[in-house]
Amino acid sequence: GAGVSQTPSNKVTEKGKYVELRCDPISGHTALYWYRQSLGQGPEFLIYFQGTGAADDSGLPNDRFFAVRPEGSVSTLKIQRTERGDSAVYLCASSPGQKGETQYFGPGTRLLVL
Amino acid sequence: AQSVTQLDSQVPVFEEAPVELRCNYSSSVSVYLFWYVQYPNQGLQLLLKYLSGSTLVKGINGFEAEFNKSQTSFHLRKPSVHISDTAEYFCAVSPSLLGGTSYGKLTFGQGTILTVHP
Repeated sequence: GAGVSQTPSNKVTEKGKYVELRCDPISGHTALYWYRQSLGQGPEFLIYFQGTGAADDSGLPNDRFFAVRPEGSVSTLKIQRTERGDSAVYLCASSPGQKGETQYFGPGTRLLVL
Repeated sequence: AQSVTQLDSQVPVFEEAPVELRCNYSSSVSVYLFWYVQYPNQGLQLLLKYLSGSTLVKGINGFEAEFNKSQTSFHLRKPSVHISDTAEYFCAVSPSLLGGTSYGKLTFGQGTILTVHP
């Protein structure tokens, strides 16, 4: 079956611009996570959705970052006024929703802010 | 809060040799433990996980890991590596059912790059 997909695979933008990153989770998975992986580091948690609601957004670095999941499936991570420090790989993962269940990761979106 | 330390950033090894990738964690609550692998130009893939029961966990591709609660460690081992095992390996934890929160947010270590030489 289809795994988690993310688009675009690569995004180059200029400092100050707005970007949207999309995640299509595995069908039927109620839990969706966004992580950010900087070069040479492990992924860091950004935000968690259970269904349509953001149950925990404590990992979002500041108010320039926002994410939605309006119908409980596809999610979009939005970054306003991008900065060079936002450059990273943004990973999306989904799981059936219970603790201990495997999170299935997408291939990531590599964001480069010039 | 949880933290994960992978003690080696890079591990070079020859093909067919054994390997151990070390992982220590710190947590104020009970946790589940995971090892993920990231092959070049691919997404993260689960190798194995410990939820409860036997502390020796077997995963895919011949890997196994042992949970040691007293040492708060979850080291990954393989008795004989192949060239195809060359990848970056991540140890991660999430709060368990007894951990006080209601979902499985992962906290990752910094990663260990395993390079297998012929």
